[in-house]
Amino acid sequence: DIVMTQSPDSLAVSLGERATINCKSSQSVLYNSNNYNYLAWYRQKPGQPPKLLIYWASTRESGVPERFSGSGSGTDFTLTISSLQAEDVAVYYCQQYYSTPFTFGGGTKVDIK
Amino acid sequence: QVQVVESGGGVVQPGRSLRLSCAASGFAFSSYAMHWVRQAPGKGLEWVAVTSHDGSNKYYADSVKGRFIISRDNSKSTLHLQMNSLRAEDTAVYYCGKSVGTDTSYYVDYWGQGTLVTVSS
Repeated sequence: DIVMTQSPDSLAVSLGERATINCKSSQSVLYNSNNYNYLAWYRQKPGQPPKLLIYWASTRESGVPERFSGSGSGTDFTLTISSLQAEDVAVYYCQQYYSTPFTFGGGTKVDIK
Repeated sequence: QVQVVESGGGVVQPGRSLRLSCAASGFAFSSYAMHWVRQAPGKGLEWVAVTSHDGSNKYYADSVKGRFIISRDNSKSTLHLQMNSLRAEDTAVYYCGKSVGTDTSYYVDYWGQGTLVTVSS
């Protein structure tokens, strides 16, 4: 099974500042035949289901604000919120869909400092 | 608009069975793979199972393999999760998720609100 490790477990960032979340997979999720990284990012607010933010490691889902960006390849990935807004307080998860079981990272809780 | 609505959750004794359903609307259900993902109280997300668009391919997390069965009825746009031999550690909110592709190796773009399963004597 591919193990997904997120860091940090939690972080507090001032409004308008940058938040960076890391995700590392125990093996590559880059599919060589199409050069796609099978990695998605989700945001989950309290009492709500997850919401898709980023797929293929760096493609922003329609309607997701431009302040959210994804980067990385192979085994190391990053979700960046360029200017944190109050509504971004949530838990963020990465997930690999390269091979079953489609494992999630443990989550990163983002709060306002 | 795309909607997936889970039902069937409740309180069940250890060792018993429960069947969850997910009613889909607003998209061509038979053209997309579907997932089940769960979340224990206060914990993170755990992927449970996926079925391809036509039900020909199904995969499970090790924690539920041999006990849970994912199935779909494309004529009724409904996804099911048959949960047998339930354990206390199966207590969670169970989410149904629509995949973006026909095959299993794609991400979920729409999620339901979830249904709570509590396994307790």
